[in-house]
Amino acid sequence: ETGVTQTPRHLVMGMTNKKSLKCEQHLGHNAMYWYKQSAKKPLELMFVYSLEERVENNSVPSRFSPECPNSSHLFLHLHTLQPEDSALYLCASSQGLATDTQYFGPGTRLTVL
Amino acid sequence: GENVEQHPSTLSVQEGDSAVIKCTYSDSASNYFPWYKQELGKRPQLIIDIRSNVGEKKDQRIAVTLNKTAKHFSLHITETQPEDSAVYFCAATGNGQNFVFGPGTRLSVLP
Repeated sequence: ETGVTQTPRHLVMGMTNKKSLKCEQHLGHNAMYWYKQSAKKPLELMFVYSLEERVENNSVPSRFSPECPNSSHLFLHLHTLQPEDSALYLCASSQGLATDTQYFGPGTRLTVL
Repeated sequence: GENVEQHPSTLSVQEGDSAVIKCTYSDSASNYFPWYKQELGKRPQLIIDIRSNVGEKKDQRIAVTLNKTAKHFSLHITETQPEDSAVYFCAATGNGQNFVFGPGTRLSVLP
């Protein structure tokens, strides 16, 4: 349960705020992911990093900006979000890409007012 | 790209009965098919997976079957218990691809 951690667990922000979500993995994995989970579209892949290099960006609006300073840490910087961005943001990691099991963090429940 | 469909979207069974959830995928190059369970308020967790070189895999009350010709795979839960109530997600992926998740099935096991 503590292999992948996320902070904060809950976040309420206004549309003009800037905030960051943090993910840390303690599994020695090389790949990390950001997912958005909402009632309308469960488990949407947002970003993929492998060895700190971004390998995929699934047409995510520029108000979401990822950062991967090293293989253990992943950030999602948020600015000028919209109410429809309210969702659960899940981080995951895996040893390699594609066919390796992904381990999820507990998520950050984001509410945009 | 890959597209994964999952049925049914909701499923209610009596405790002790079996539950079956089916997923279909579109990309014949996909070769890894995991299943995740997400309990209310918790993170998705892997419960079982199967690779394309086998047709069936079993772990106690949970089994997964794969039909590569028809491009579908199914999750089977036998002797269901209330703690099996959760949302179940299937996924498909292959070399060079990222996971594509199905929309999920909400399973309710009624006591």
